Amino acid sequence: DQQVKQNSPSLSVQEGRISILNCDYTNSMFDYFLWYKKYPAEGPTFLISISSIKDKNEDGRFTVFLNKSAKHLSLHIVPSQPGDSAVYFCAASGTSGYALNFGKGTSLLVTP
Amino acid sequence: DTGVSQNPRHKITKRGQNVTFRCDPISEHNRLYWYRQTLGQGPEFLTYFQNEAQLEKSRLLSDRFSAERPKGSFSTLEIQRTEQGDSAMYLCASSLRRGGPGNTQYFGPGTRLTVL
Repeated sequence: DQQVKQNSPSLSVQEGRISILNCDYTNSMFDYFLWYKKYPAEGPTFLISISSIKDKNEDGRFTVFLNKSAKHLSLHIVPSQPGDSAVYFCAASGTSGYALNFGKGTSLLVTP
Repeated sequence: DTGVSQNPRHKITKRGQNVTFRCDPISEHNRLYWYRQTLGQGPEFLTYFQNEAQLEKSRLLSDRFSAERPKGSFSTLEIQRTEQGDSAMYLCASSLRRGGPGNTQYFGPGTRLTVL
């Protein structure tokens, strides 16, 4: 069963605009959430994370928002750049184990 | 500062053959993880080591799969009697500790396995 869901397989945004990637989870035991970026033929690269005790975390152009009551998180990229074009994975881990549970990813295309 | 490294990057084998992959984690990281990724999916957890102890295994890790981390540094993942369904990207990750920012796992470039 897919405990982390990214319901948008792809997203296209113009350069300079905001990119918003969404993620939903079902397991209320998850307490740590991460976003990874992946280029073809490479491993995932860590972008940003958030603990369940927070509702927002910022790092430069990247901000992650967590809504625990809705079991939803989102990644905002502002402003979007062509180099941001990649597949973005949402992941979550919880108190029951050390594994990261990943969504299926959203492919972001930033056009000039 | 070197990241996680994996060798080989690509492996093509015939069905029924055994293959072994190696992962070298970030030097100070005591936790090491193996994942598998197939097309259109996110990485799926296979197994986890804390130092040399294998503490968690997924049900995806059939008895044809074995992983070791003998001295708590590098790790190997062996697949015996490979099947075409084993074709995937095998990813290794490492982390320093659990909880808060320390649970962040850093991934290597992966080993792409193709079973003919």
